[in-house]
Amino acid sequence: ILNVEQSPQSLHVQEGDSTNFTCSFPSSNFYALHWYRWETAKSPEALFVMTLNGDEKKKGRISATLNTKEGYSYLYIKGSQPEDSATYLCAFQVVDQFYFGTGTSLTVIP
Amino acid sequence: DSGVTQTPKHLITATGQRVTLRCSPRSGDLSVYWYQQSLDQGLQFLIQYYNGEERAKGNILERFSAQQFPDLHSELNLSSLELGDSALYFCASSVGTEGNSPLHFGNGTRLTVT
Repeated sequence: ILNVEQSPQSLHVQEGDSTNFTCSFPSSNFYALHWYRWETAKSPEALFVMTLNGDEKKKGRISATLNTKEGYSYLYIKGSQPEDSATYLCAFQVVDQFYFGTGTSLTVIP
Repeated sequence: DSGVTQTPKHLITATGQRVTLRCSPRSGDLSVYWYQQSLDQGLQFLIQYYNGEERAKGNILERFSAQQFPDLHSELNLSSLELGDSALYFCASSVGTEGNSPLHFGNGTRLTVT
């Protein structure tokens, strides 16, 4: 079982603040790193799939970076909005196996 | 809409009973994954099937079993249910062993054991 850690566990920010959180994963046998957004009462939804060291992906106000050599990925949200409130999960992929972190729960206060 | 269909949405049953959860993967996806989310827990991987064959097992209890049928839909069977089995059960699908495609999740089945 591979260890994937996310921090912080939870985060409360004011609307308009920018924020970021971390996903740590094993630096060996890297295949891909996934980010998912999981809103309450819904199912996890894919945000990014990152495969190359130094990868940067962006979708609107959300972006992510990847460092496979040191085994971490950052997810950034610029100008947080209440609709960004969700749990953000990362998953470390090895071939077709996915190892999920426990997520960072983000609450954006209007 | 992820294209992954799970039924039923809700299930309430008594301890000792047996239930079957069903999942239809997204069209073209060959891999099906089952996850359990208990209260205040993250996603716990249970089992994966690829094109009808069991591919990987996670923290799946012996009371639980699954299969994937020729039409690629999958069923998760939970027997001798205990109160602690109450959880949200997710099915996810992906294209398979190649590529870096994300998982596509169904909306889950919420199981309540009383």
